[in-house]
Amino acid sequence: AQSVTQPDIHITVSEGASLELRCNYSYGATPYLFWYVQSPGQGLQLLLKYFSGDTLVQGIKGFEAEFKRSQSSFNLRKPSVHWSDAAEYFCAVGGDQTGANNLFFGTGTRLTVIP
Amino acid sequence: EAQVTQNPRYLITVTGKKLTVTCSQNMNHEYMSWYRQDPGLGLRQIYYSMNVEVTDKGDVPEGYKVSRKEKRNFPLILESPSPNQTSLYFCASSLSTRGQIRNSPLHFGNGTRLTVT
Repeated sequence: AQSVTQPDIHITVSEGASLELRCNYSYGATPYLFWYVQSPGQGLQLLLKYFSGDTLVQGIKGFEAEFKRSQSSFNLRKPSVHWSDAAEYFCAVGGDQTGANNLFFGTGTRLTVIP
Repeated sequence: EAQVTQNPRYLITVTGKKLTVTCSQNMNHEYMSWYRQDPGLGLRQIYYSMNVEVTDKGDVPEGYKVSRKEKRNFPLILESPSPNQTSLYFCASSLSTRGQIRNSPLHFGNGTRLTVT
């Protein structure tokens, strides 16, 4: 069965500190992996995606994520967090097994940034 | 501007009163989908549509209906809303269903917050 686990419900970091948001997935075939960000009152915006090839992918707003097949993980990182990064972050998995556009989302991680 | 438009943004209704949440996209996308977002549960797919006149159930379809008579519109219908359908609803679309997923990310609307009393 397909599933996504985001073990951290809420993370607080200081502005300028590094960030890592964890994501573990379960998928029966080659996964397509995504990170989305949701600002208050807004829809979800795609940060980055992984389909194949280089396991370190770069996204918008200075985010990157690394696909580790052996750990079934796709953790999101940012070297220096800005106050505007405060939002909720969702990891998602999809693929040809389920229809590439049908994504399974994690429960989200809320990021608070303190000055 | 390319966008997915949902209406209304906020809706308060009573149990059993039929309602429709509209979704429209101006990008000529084939694929459209509805999700609901609940605290601690993330986003769960309700229904999706691969193209006009083609719709399929997602993970939580009970209590909902959809239709896809035109490519741009994908309304979500609650025939008899109940309090457990109080949620934040998102419509999403993407260009293609298969083969072009690399160039076809999901575009989300800004959400509809529904309260059923």
